[in-house]
Amino acid sequence: EAGVAQSPRYKIIEKRQSVAFWCNPISGHATLYWYQQILGQGPKLLIQFQNNGVVDDSQLPKDRFSAERLKGVDSTLKIQPAKLEDSAVYLCASSRTSGNSYNEQFFGPGTRLTVL
Amino acid sequence: KQEVTQIPAALSVPEGENLVLNCSFTDSAIYNLQWFRQDPGKGLTSLLLIQSSQREQTSGRLNASLDKSSGRSTLYIAASQPGDSATYLCAVSRIQGAQKLVFGQGTRLTINP
Repeated sequence: EAGVAQSPRYKIIEKRQSVAFWCNPISGHATLYWYQQILGQGPKLLIQFQNNGVVDDSQLPKDRFSAERLKGVDSTLKIQPAKLEDSAVYLCASSRTSGNSYNEQFFGPGTRLTVL
Repeated sequence: KQEVTQIPAALSVPEGENLVLNCSFTDSAIYNLQWFRQDPGKGLTSLLLIQSSQREQTSGRLNASLDKSSGRSTLYIAASQPGDSATYLCAVSRIQGAQKLVFGQGTRLTINP
């Protein structure tokens, strides 16, 4: 079974530029998560999708971050405009479903973003 | 608001030693607790998952325990090896609603040959 795929693996941009990250979850996984991991910290959930609907985006800085999951499969996370403090690793994860029964989350390798 | 703390932030031990990593959480109303491993430049690999009704889980040289009443979990690694060097993260999920994981900041473990 193929794992969670993410691209690009690395991205360097200047502040105020825009950037987009892509995630392809494990086949059949209905739930998709985007996490932000700042150096030296644990991952923080940005947004969670169930199929193509948003379940939780309470910690997503909506003035500059946006995410979509068209057709309930692939997802893109966009930052526009980027700030220095957005430098982090962006992790995508997927699980079979959400609801009240826990399903293990599987993580992709992440995209390391550096904002200069 | 759930907060997860891991102590120590970094640990360096000689090969062969047994060691314990600690995780504490402020809200005992959790659904489960999970330990992950993260290698440099890599994603997270799940090591052990303890459901709220369980007290411990074991996998090979790893043993994780959970005490909900005190808000604590420990990860015990027996006979450590250099390949165990990585960052170890614990995360908890809430009882109801979205299965959002709240992570600790991690313990960076170095096993010296």
